[in-house]
Amino acid sequence: DADVTQTPRNRITKTGKRIMLECSQTKGHDRMYWYRQDPGLGLRLIYYSFDVKDINKGEISDGYSVSRQAQAKFSLSLESAIPNQTALYFCATMEGNTGELFFGEGSRLTVL
Amino acid sequence: AQRVTQPEKLLSVFKGAPVELKCNYSYSGSPELFWYVQYSRQRLQLLLRHISRESIKGFTADLNKGETSFHLKKPFAQEEDSAMYYCALIPPSGGYNKLIFGAGTRLAVHP
Repeated sequence: DADVTQTPRNRITKTGKRIMLECSQTKGHDRMYWYRQDPGLGLRLIYYSFDVKDINKGEISDGYSVSRQAQAKFSLSLESAIPNQTALYFCATMEGNTGELFFGEGSRLTVL
Repeated sequence: AQRVTQPEKLLSVFKGAPVELKCNYSYSGSPELFWYVQYSRQRLQLLLRHISRESIKGFTADLNKGETSFHLKKPFAQEEDSAMYYCALIPPSGGYNKLIFGAGTRLAVHP
């Protein structure tokens, strides 16, 4: 089955460390997204990309960067992790203009 | 501020009772609205979208532009409906660039 895969699924790190969360998809979708989920705040958009050359900031991009290495790969980086970046991170893809997102299983990040 | 509001963090009902999960939005114009659901140990997934006017798993949602609401309803809740529900929209000016989500409501259906 075509899928959206995130690695790692769980990560514990320390303040100041650089962290990369990776997302790959076999759905063939051009649009890819990174969201973070916090209790009581729902999902908030960090970055999104329509193709390899098109990267856009979401509502909470500060402290994050992304790389779209290929149509199938979209990585999220925390250059210097801080405790309030502790959250569940989701990668998602969208097929065309349907508005339907296909989510990965999530990456739980804990910053101590 | 433009936002999607789900006023209830938790909604607890008994099996067979009616369910209404509330969603209000503050965007002007005509956004496109969705309900997403996350069952235990499953991925977040689309439940329904307002333009389809469909009923999925017995759930329906009507867009009320006057009240800027998109409440999700089911006449008789089942235990398997227990999940986290998110209301989401695409802003009128945003094309299909991005979805904006509410904070979510956890539905617990008790036997």
